[in-house]
Amino acid sequence: AQTVTQSQPEMSVQEAETVTLSCTYDTSESDYYLFWYKQPPSRQMILVIRQEAYKQQNATENRFSVNFQKAAKSFSLKISDSQLGDAAMYFCAYLTSGSRLTFGEGTQLTVNP
Amino acid sequence: EAQVTQNPRYLITVTGKKLTVTCSQNMNHEYMSWYRQDPGLGLRQIYYSMNVEVTDKGDVPEGYKVSRKEKRNFPLILESPSPNQTSLYFCASSFRLIGSPLHFGNGTRLTVT
Repeated sequence: AQTVTQSQPEMSVQEAETVTLSCTYDTSESDYYLFWYKQPPSRQMILVIRQEAYKQQNATENRFSVNFQKAAKSFSLKISDSQLGDAAMYFCAYLTSGSRLTFGEGTQLTVNP
Repeated sequence: EAQVTQNPRYLITVTGKKLTVTCSQNMNHEYMSWYRQDPGLGLRQIYYSMNVEVTDKGDVPEGYKVSRKEKRNFPLILESPSPNQTSLYFCASSFRLIGSPLHFGNGTRLTVT
């Protein structure tokens, strides 16, 4: 079974600085999708960014970008110019064509003013 | 407004008293699923449904039932709740699991005493 590991339970960053959240996964599949979701205190789950495994180019969404290393099975999220509104729990998730969406344990991000 | 609606938002009950958490989506999505979120464990999939009358177990199905009699509704049933089912529950849906964003409900905080 596939697993997703987020080794940083908590991270903090100064406002306007850059922070990287790490995620590794274990799979024998060659075709899959990876996601980062954000969960603010409101509990709402918000999709931040997605990456298709067959694409070599790293996905980018405004201040959010990923570093996808397929051979290393690593999928880190970089947040540039951090804002107070970025404070949230961040979940990495892995999806195969078999319809199983597996989440990591989460990383709680604090943004300090 | 396109949304996934879960009810109730909060529920406190006692061991053994059957309960149902409702989930409804108005986007004509084929795929629906239930997750539970526990500290340090992230979100774990309970059940999912690829379409009407098609349901499958996720990673933690024990103690739960689901049904998909209509496309828009996917209720989660706890026939005999136990304290270890105290958790935050999310319903989610997408048009197709692959290639479509997953829309989440706002969550149901369940406490079983």
